[in-house]
Amino acid sequence: QMQLVESGGGVVQPGGSLRLSCAASGFTFSTYAMYWVRQTPGKGLEWVAVISYDGSYEKFADSVKGRFSISRDNSKNTMYLQMNSLRVEDTAVYYCVSRIVVTGGFDYWGQGTLVTVSS
Amino acid sequence: DIQMTQSPSSLSASVGDRVTITCRASQDITRYLAWYQQKPGKVPKLLIYAASTLQSGVPSRFSGSGSGTEFTLVISSLQPEDVATYYCQRHNSAPYAFGQGTKLEIK
Repeated sequence: QMQLVESGGGVVQPGGSLRLSCAASGFTFSTYAMYWVRQTPGKGLEWVAVISYDGSYEKFADSVKGRFSISRDNSKNTMYLQMNSLRVEDTAVYYCVSRIVVTGGFDYWGQGTLVTVSS
Repeated sequence: DIQMTQSPSSLSASVGDRVTITCRASQDITRYLAWYQQKPGKVPKLLIYAASTLQSGVPSRFSGSGSGTEFTLVISSLQPEDVATYYCQRHNSAPYAFGQGTKLEIK
């Protein structure tokens, strides 16, 4: 059964850094692009970043460009989101997401990990 | 970047009602439009992709239509378990913008 499990969330001060991990299982991780989506408490969904199946392509939302980086280790079935220069407005639940149908919607979501940026 | 705008932001309807939610894209996205349902405290769930393709396991009372810049999600007969927030999203290429959401409640 396909599963995505995020970890690494927590409380950090503005300007700090945090690295999120997403451990995948139940599918051939190395053949699929992966995504991060976040949701501010009580608010809507915001796509954050995408990485191609082999890590050769990545793209970021304007709101995090230059501060966040994305990577993956296909030997460990794990994706990462390195978040630097964190701001209060980055406070959100961060979801790891995959898309099995290449031309389809985001069909598999992890349970999310909460990142709180506060002094 | 392409912006996605949903209407209404919230609505209240009775069990058995036909409910329609609209999503507009600021530019032509052909049919690359997905709909998600998020129940309180739960993870978003994909309902429809490619504007009208029902995800496996989704009840047939949900349907989607549209192309270009205007899309609709229809619930043909509202059920109590459909209480949720619904989001649209363009899914062809980055940035994968979401709409702001439509909160659906039972009257």
